Amino acid sequence: AQSVTQPDIHITVSEGASLELRCNYSYGATPYLFWYVQSPGQGLQLLLKYFSGDTLVQGIKGFEAEFKRSQSSFNLRKPSVHWSDAAEYFCAVATQGFQKLVFGTGTRLLVSP
Amino acid sequence: GAGVSQSPSNKVTEKGKDVELRCDPISGHTALYWYRQSLGQGLEFLIYFQGNSAPDKSGLPSDRFSAERTGGSVSTLTIQRTQQEDSAVYLCASSLDVSARFDTQYFGPGTRLTVL
Repeated sequence: AQSVTQPDIHITVSEGASLELRCNYSYGATPYLFWYVQSPGQGLQLLLKYFSGDTLVQGIKGFEAEFKRSQSSFNLRKPSVHWSDAAEYFCAVATQGFQKLVFGTGTRLLVSP
Repeated sequence: GAGVSQSPSNKVTEKGKDVELRCDPISGHTALYWYRQSLGQGLEFLIYFQGNSAPDKSGLPSDRFSAERTGGSVSTLTIQRTQQEDSAVYLCASSLDVSARFDTQYFGPGTRLTVL
């Protein structure tokens, strides 16, 4: 069965510093991978997705992610974090039939002044 | 256009009562999904609809949970005889079409259910 691991439960980053959130997946075929962000009391917003092709994917709000098949990873990065980026971030993989998402447990990002 | 909407935003109920949660998908989206977000289980898939049909109900945790969709639009998730472990945020999502390549799922704000 597909699974997603986000090893960091919490991460604190200073405003203006760079960010990398880790995501590892378990999936037999080429995965469809996603990063979503959830602000307090809000639903999930799609940041970016990877289906195929270029392994470096650009998303909204200045985020990017790189698919590395050899490491089964899809880490999320941002070169300079803003206070408004404080939220919970979820990595997800689409199942083989594409009808549902399997989510990681999430990483809560705190941004310090 | 409007996004996915859900009602109520919050629901507090007593153990043993039935509850209904509503989801209005984005207009024109044929696929609709229900997920549950809880402290102990994280985000988990419950059910999805293609049109009014539910080909995959594998995520429904027990027979107390049911869902329907009418007119290819609004969906209702019903929980009968609620238990305290049903307390969670119930998220609805919709996408254009689930039958072709994977389409982006757009999420609503969720319904927070508290069972006392």
